[in-house]
Amino acid sequence: DVKVTQSSRYLVKRTGEKVFLECVQDMDHENMFWYRQDPGLGLRLIYFSYDVKMKEKGDIPEGYSVSREKKERFSLILESASTNQTSMYLCASSLESVGQPQHFGDGTRLSIL
Amino acid sequence: GQNIDQPTEMTATEGAIVQINCTYQTSGFNGLFWYQQHAGEAPTFLSYNVLDGLEEKGRFSSFLSRSKGYSYLLLKELQMKDSASYLCAVRDLDSNYQLIWGAGTKLIIKP
Repeated sequence: DVKVTQSSRYLVKRTGEKVFLECVQDMDHENMFWYRQDPGLGLRLIYFSYDVKMKEKGDIPEGYSVSREKKERFSLILESASTNQTSMYLCASSLESVGQPQHFGDGTRLSIL
Repeated sequence: GQNIDQPTEMTATEGAIVQINCTYQTSGFNGLFWYQQHAGEAPTFLSYNVLDGLEEKGRFSSFLSRSKGYSYLLLKELQMKDSASYLCAVRDLDSNYQLIWGAGTKLIIKP
């Protein structure tokens, strides 16, 4: 079974802090994704990566950056956390082939005070 | 523009059948996924449709009509554990093949 592991289930940070969310997958997937999920809205893509050291902006990249130094690890960085970044953050990975599903981690519920 | 529509909430009875609809408008369709998400948990993959027709997987089936921009997820012999949100997502050619997600349908199963 595919395992996608996010470093924290719950995280509380203060406005202005730099926040790191880590994600690791164990199935040698090429693609990795960061989403945020808010009530009443669909999953919104922040950034994705097709390969090591490669990144592409999603629909809502403002205020975020990412790092993929190794194939199995994809990190999301909130450069200067703000209260409107309070959300559930979901990491996912998939094989590159068309039709392959994305496999999700359990999510990190991040609160910015 | 791109848009995915699903009902916000549905209620059904244990043992019954329920159909959850999803309509979409995208510039370039390249497949539709259904996911299940229990409260506080990760979404898990249920089905994938890229051609018209019905795909059956045990108690769950998914249907696609590309000409109508329409899909449904059919759940039979409902069990209490089927209480969850069901997410529809469309792979869009014009969004660099990324998934466009609906807001999800919360399904409540009553005894």
